[in-house]
Amino acid sequence: RKEVEQDPGPFNVPEGATVAFNCTYSNSASQSFFWYRQDCRKEPKLLMSVYSSGNEDGRFTAQLNRASQYISLLIRDSKLSDSATYLCVVNLRGFQKLVFGTGTRLLVSP
Amino acid sequence: EAGVAQSPRYKIIEKRQSVAFWCNPISGHATLYWYQQILGQGPKLLIQFQNNGVVDDSQLPKDRFSAERLKGVDSTLKIQPAKLEDSAVYLCASSSLHLSQETQYFGPGTRLLVL
Repeated sequence: RKEVEQDPGPFNVPEGATVAFNCTYSNSASQSFFWYRQDCRKEPKLLMSVYSSGNEDGRFTAQLNRASQYISLLIRDSKLSDSATYLCVVNLRGFQKLVFGTGTRLLVSP
Repeated sequence: EAGVAQSPRYKIIEKRQSVAFWCNPISGHATLYWYQQILGQGPKLLIQFQNNGVVDDSQLPKDRFSAERLKGVDSTLKIQPAKLEDSAVYLCASSSLHLSQETQYFGPGTRLLVL
């Protein structure tokens, strides 16, 4: 079983749509969680951290369910500029060893 | 603030040749990482340095890959000899500390094609 699993997509949505990505992780000792965004042929960049209580940043909402070892990212009112690959990232307890999922590709069309 | 610098940006070599990549992290960042990203996959950690010491190299294929960070600043990653399956983007990242919530900043990567 992969340490971090994501649906690779692509998710094709129209502008203005709401889209949700899910991610599961296998190591229950995982300490912290992130969503990174990677544009085509670019490097990954931190989108947001994911906290146990859930957190929101503008149109983006991240949720964590430790019992189910499940992370989600919700994007509301999708923009063309949201088209990218969204990487689910898990950090093992005690040290900064990031484990990346394969990414979910999002395509937002006019 | 300057970001993570990497060179070269692209490299094409034949199998069994050697290649080296260079990374200069963000100034003051003590922790440096090398990742390998194969097309369609997420980045995979190859090696992590804290200053000039290795913290984790468990996924580094040590029979052909080597890395160093002699002065605790910039770093080089070498492949010798290269195989076809080494074709990937090699990403360097840095963070100021090794704490779990610390953000890692990535460089633009070096795209390697092994023919």
